Amino acid sequence: ETGVTQSPTHLIKTRGQQVTLRCSSQSGHNTVSWYQQALGQGPQFIFQYYREEENGRGNFPPRFSGLQFPNYSSELNVNALELDDSALYLCASSLSNIGGRNEQYFGPGTRLTVT
Amino acid sequence: SQQGEEDPQALSIQEGENATMNCSYKTSINNLQWYRQNSGRGLVHLILIRSNEREKHSGRLRVTLDTSKKSSSLLITASRAADTASYFCATPPTTSGTYKYIFGTGTRLKVLA
Repeated sequence: ETGVTQSPTHLIKTRGQQVTLRCSSQSGHNTVSWYQQALGQGPQFIFQYYREEENGRGNFPPRFSGLQFPNYSSELNVNALELDDSALYLCASSLSNIGGRNEQYFGPGTRLTVT
Repeated sequence: SQQGEEDPQALSIQEGENATMNCSYKTSINNLQWYRQNSGRGLVHLILIRSNEREKHSGRLRVTLDTSKKSSSLLITASRAADTASYFCATPPTTSGTYKYIFGTGTRLKVLA
């Protein structure tokens, strides 16, 4: 157990809808990163939040957005869902974002299915 | 784009044998990390090796890093059925302003009892 929790575990949405995924970081960690993992692929970096500000973004469109709260928990929002958004969404927390020198601890993920 | 590429993509061995997985990456790094993922669940951090280290051990795991070849290997000794999982390497490029971890495509290991 890493201490990182995600909710919900599974989610089914219809194309065009919006979804919010939540992540509680490990105690004391100030950095949260979100990843999308399609079936059979490695995780793809979506973005990272450090002390409530976005700090680095991968190759994802603006309809993927996020928030980090003062307690360092985080949300991932996806608007106008597309079928290709079906994936496992993982969040990871770490103590610092500096040069990636600290290990990331992953939550169990949220399985999103878009129909 | 993938920074790390694991090789082989899939590996099937008998219990008790050793399993070796390789990872190649493209840009300079501060460290390289290996993760395990069981059947579509969250990733478990296995080991971190820093760019100034050449080898690191943790239990039955041995990781090597060759920065001149931009490659790393993960060796699991005396494998067990419970080691069946996908294994990923991840690198945080040192490019200024970039803090994202880039994962490879993974090696799917199957250990047969």
